[in-house]
Amino acid sequence: AQSVTQLGSHVSVSEGALVLLRCNYSSSVPPYLFWYVQYPNQGLQLLLKYTSAATLVKGINGFEAEFKKSETSFHLTKPSAHMSDAAEYFCAVSSYTLLSFGAGTTVTVRA
Amino acid sequence: DGGITQSPKYLFRKEGQNVTLSCEQNLNHDAMYWYRQDPGQGLRLIYYSQIVNDFQKGDIAEGYSVSREKKESFPLTVTSAQKNPTAFYLCASSSPATSYNEQFFGPGTRLTVL
Repeated sequence: AQSVTQLGSHVSVSEGALVLLRCNYSSSVPPYLFWYVQYPNQGLQLLLKYTSAATLVKGINGFEAEFKKSETSFHLTKPSAHMSDAAEYFCAVSSYTLLSFGAGTTVTVRA
Repeated sequence: DGGITQSPKYLFRKEGQNVTLSCEQNLNHDAMYWYRQDPGQGLRLIYYSQIVNDFQKGDIAEGYSVSREKKESFPLTVTSAQKNPTAFYLCASSSPATSYNEQFFGPGTRLTVL
């Protein structure tokens, strides 16, 4: 069975600082991995996805993630946080028919 | 514009009443999903359907029912048997054969039981 663990339910960063959100996965087959963002009272929006083409994946809004098989990780980063990055972020792994989501990490950005 | 619509955005229900949440997609996706979201608990799968006239229970199906009579529509009924229905409900769709099961989400319905 596939599963993901997001380390840290809340992350607080200063505007302009690095954003790092951690995700570790467990999968019995080569995984497809996703990061989604959710703003308050809205649905989830895809930030980026890993589908085995390249280990460094670039997404929308300046985010990127690196797939590291040896560490079973897919951490999300953004070099410089913006106030608009305040949201909840979910990591997910695909089992072809279903997605398994992490518990989410809430990001707050301090001015 | 292609996408997923959910209605209503906010829904209030009295205890003991059934209520139906609407989900429609025009993405021509075969698969559709219903999730429940509670603070601090991420997304939990209620039901999913991979094809018209077929659906499967997810992790928390008790107290819910669905139908899939059309490819575009996957309504969710919250029955009076659901003991704690107040939550944010998200509908999603995907085309597993072509997109690695990337799911597209609707804007959600917030259900409050009074």
